[in-house]
Amino acid sequence: KQEVTQIPAALSVPEGENLVLNCSFTDSAIYNLQWFRQDPGKGLTSLLLIQSSQREQTSGRLNASLDKSSGRSTLYIAASQPGDSATYLCAAIGTGAGSYQLTFGKGTKLSVIP
Amino acid sequence: NAGVTQTPKFRVLKTGQSMTLLCAQDMNHEYMYWYRQDPGMGLRLIHYSVGEGTTAKGEVPDGYNVSRLKKQNFLLGLESAAPSQTSVYFCASSYTPPGYGANVLTFGAGSRLTVL
Repeated sequence: KQEVTQIPAALSVPEGENLVLNCSFTDSAIYNLQWFRQDPGKGLTSLLLIQSSQREQTSGRLNASLDKSSGRSTLYIAASQPGDSATYLCAAIGTGAGSYQLTFGKGTKLSVIP
Repeated sequence: NAGVTQTPKFRVLKTGQSMTLLCAQDMNHEYMYWYRQDPGMGLRLIHYSVGEGTTAKGEVPDGYNVSRLKKQNFLLGLESAAPSQTSVYFCASSYTPPGYGANVLTFGAGSRLTVL
């Protein structure tokens, strides 16, 4: 069974810092990996999706990388802003019978201090 | 463009009562999903549907039933609510299977259910 772990569970940084969020998964036979953002009391917003054949994806100040062989993905946020404060979740999308099921990590709660 | 709409947003039930959560999407998506989010547990898939008239079990289906009579709607039912079903429920939809190509999941804002 796929397990997804996110470290750290919470992170507080001053505005302007670059930061890295980590995501690890136990089964490397994934189809894709997706990063989401969740604001308090809200649903999830998709940030980046990395297909298994890709190494990384970029969107603005966000860059996500994927290393299937080591079972790891990272989300890099450049020049952090208070508006980046949210919980960030990664989700691994399985293959075969698990292809409809995203396995989520528990998230990293990010606070960017002005 | 409303996206994915969930109703109700909040509900308090007594043990043994029944209720239905409604998810509606206006994006002509084939795939729809119900997740629950619990503190310390992350999101877990309850049921999903790959098209009108179809449903399938996810990771935690016990105690729930679903129906997809219309393509745009996916209903989640609790026949006899239990305190263990206290959670935040999220509906999501996608045009293709999750993560396929450039398509991604679109989530609703969530429905907070408390069972006393």
